[in-house]
Amino acid sequence: GQQLNQSPQSMFIQEGEDVSMNCTSSSIFNTWLWYKQDPGEGPVLLIALYKAGELTSNGRLTAQFGITRKDSFLNISASIPSDVGIYFCAGPGSGGSNYKLTFGKGTLLTVNP
Amino acid sequence: DTAVSQTPKYLVTQMGNDKSIKCEQNLGHDTMYWYKQDSKKFLKIMFSYNNKELIINETVPNRFSPKSPDKAHLNLHINSLELGDSAVYFCASSQVTGTLFFGSGTQLSVL
Repeated sequence: GQQLNQSPQSMFIQEGEDVSMNCTSSSIFNTWLWYKQDPGEGPVLLIALYKAGELTSNGRLTAQFGITRKDSFLNISASIPSDVGIYFCAGPGSGGSNYKLTFGKGTLLTVNP
Repeated sequence: DTAVSQTPKYLVTQMGNDKSIKCEQNLGHDTMYWYKQDSKKFLKIMFSYNNKELIINETVPNRFSPKSPDKAHLNLHINSLELGDSAVYFCASSQVTGTLFFGSGTQLSVL
């Protein structure tokens, strides 16, 4: 089945540092999504990417859809304490079904003030 | 107004019991989902309904039965609960491809 490899698994950084995480797939994706999950809450969509090479920003967050369509990365600049949480990449499941998202295993981000 | 709301937030029960989790969305979306998040935070789809019709049914024990009375509601009933059912269950909805809106989760603990 579809697999998404997300790295790193966890990160401990100081406030103000930049962060980068990435996701690779065993197959081509037509859509890449990045979600953030705060403790005790459901994941919230941060950025959606629909085209190879696309670079999209949302405030201090920037994400790119890899040219090969098998990878994506998410950068967070000038991290702040509220950036703490789990970041997930996601994309359509096997066969390109739009109703079945496959999620990466998440990157746990801890920001020290 | 909460877009996707699920109740209860916490559910603690004994093995063998039957329990239900309710979900409602006020976004006007056609598709609703149940996801399970295990202790390692891995998110896995369980079911998906589109306009009240089941379209995705992953390899889930038949003790789990979703019911969608209308396209704004998708409930999850679990029979004969087992220890391994302990997890966080998320309801979600979507209209545009892939842009899931999640509820805040139901933490199920089976003792």
